[in-house]
Amino acid sequence: DQQVKQNSPSLSVQEGRISILNCDYTNSMFDYFLWYKKYPAEGPTFLISISSIKDKNEDGRFTVFLNKSAKHLSLHIVPSQPGDSAVYFCAASPNYGGSQGNLIFGKGTKLSVKP
Amino acid sequence: DSGVTQTPKHLITATGQRVTLRCSPRSGDLSVYWYQQSLDQGLQFLIQYYNGEERAKGNILERFSAQQFPDLHSELNLSSLELGDSALYFCASSVTAGTSVGDTQYFGPGTRLTVL
Repeated sequence: DQQVKQNSPSLSVQEGRISILNCDYTNSMFDYFLWYKKYPAEGPTFLISISSIKDKNEDGRFTVFLNKSAKHLSLHIVPSQPGDSAVYFCAASPNYGGSQGNLIFGKGTKLSVKP
Repeated sequence: DSGVTQTPKHLITATGQRVTLRCSPRSGDLSVYWYQQSLDQGLQFLIQYYNGEERAKGNILERFSAQQFPDLHSELNLSSLELGDSALYFCASSVTAGTSVGDTQYFGPGTRLTVL
């Protein structure tokens, strides 16, 4: 049973527009969330994170929004650039601040930004 | 470059064989994590070591084992290999054992294992 779900396998946007990637989770105990970006033949790269005490975290062109009541988070990229084309993974920590650091990942969304 | 190194980059072997994947964490990181990514799947957590000791275990098969050595590098041993073990295996490292703001997991480039 998937605890972290990314229901859109792919997303295509025009350069300069906003990209919105969505993620849903089922376990209300999750309270730390991360987004990773992955290019082909490379390992995932950390992008941005958010803890449950916040509903928004911003870093440059990237903003993550968390809606705890809906168990939903989203990643906004504004403006989108062709170099943002990659697979984006949503991840959750089942043990925030604890003694274990394992993450639970969604299956990813492939973002294509067209010039 | 994340600072996490993994060898080999590619590995092709036959069913029933045993292989060892190696990971060197970033300098100063004490935790090492192993993840498996099969076709069309997200990354599945296998196991975590912190400063030489096992800290967390995920859906790791009994045919798989891992260890972390005194110099903090880690090895993932896969034995009695089956076709379904073909996957990308990623290693990640972080400074501490738990997950908290600022304690990011940095991933290596992965080892692609093909079992024929």
